[in-house]
Amino acid sequence: EAGVAQSPRYKIIEKRQSVAFWCNPISGHATLYWYQQILGQGPKLLIQFQNNGVVDDSQLPKDRFSAERLKGVDSTLKIQPAKLEDSAVYLCASSPSLGLVLETQYFGPGTRLLVL
Amino acid sequence: EDKVVQSPLSLVVHEGDTVTLNCSYEVTNFRSLLWYKQEKKAPTFLFMLTSSGIEKKSGRLSSILDKKELFSILNITATQTGDSAVYLCAVEPLPATASKLTFGTGTRLQVTL
Repeated sequence: EAGVAQSPRYKIIEKRQSVAFWCNPISGHATLYWYQQILGQGPKLLIQFQNNGVVDDSQLPKDRFSAERLKGVDSTLKIQPAKLEDSAVYLCASSPSLGLVLETQYFGPGTRLLVL
Repeated sequence: EDKVVQSPLSLVVHEGDTVTLNCSYEVTNFRSLLWYKQEKKAPTFLFMLTSSGIEKKSGRLSSILDKKELFSILNITATQTGDSAVYLCAVEPLPATASKLTFGTGTRLQVTL
């Protein structure tokens, strides 16, 4: 079974530039998550989709971050404009169910973003 | 707000040692606690714990949950250099229309020869 795919793996941009990350979850997984992991910290949930609807985006800085999952499969996360403090690893994860049973999340390899 | 605190923050041991990693939590309406291993980027799932006192075991790794005292431990026996990683603890609350995890900062384990 193919895992969660993310691209790019690394990105270096200057502050105030825009950047987009892509995630392809495990086939058939209904729920998709974007996390931000700053160096030395645990992952922090940014946004959670169930199919193509947003379940939770309470920790997403909506003035600069946006995400979509138009067809309920792939997702993109965008930052516009980027700030220095956005430097982090952006992890995408997916889980199969709609939360009715206990199932774990499966993580992708992440995208490491460096904002200069 | 849900909270997860892990200790120690970092640990250096010799190969063959046994280590215990700690995770304490505060969560409204507890559903499960999860342990992940993060070597480079992607956290990989180790255990999911839902009931107190029942040990989950996988090879040299084991974990147990105490829902009364709100903590969990992860034990690694006969450590190997391949166990070097950051170990993340996360909690999942109810209700769960989907799985919302709150992570701790992790324990960085380094196993030396």
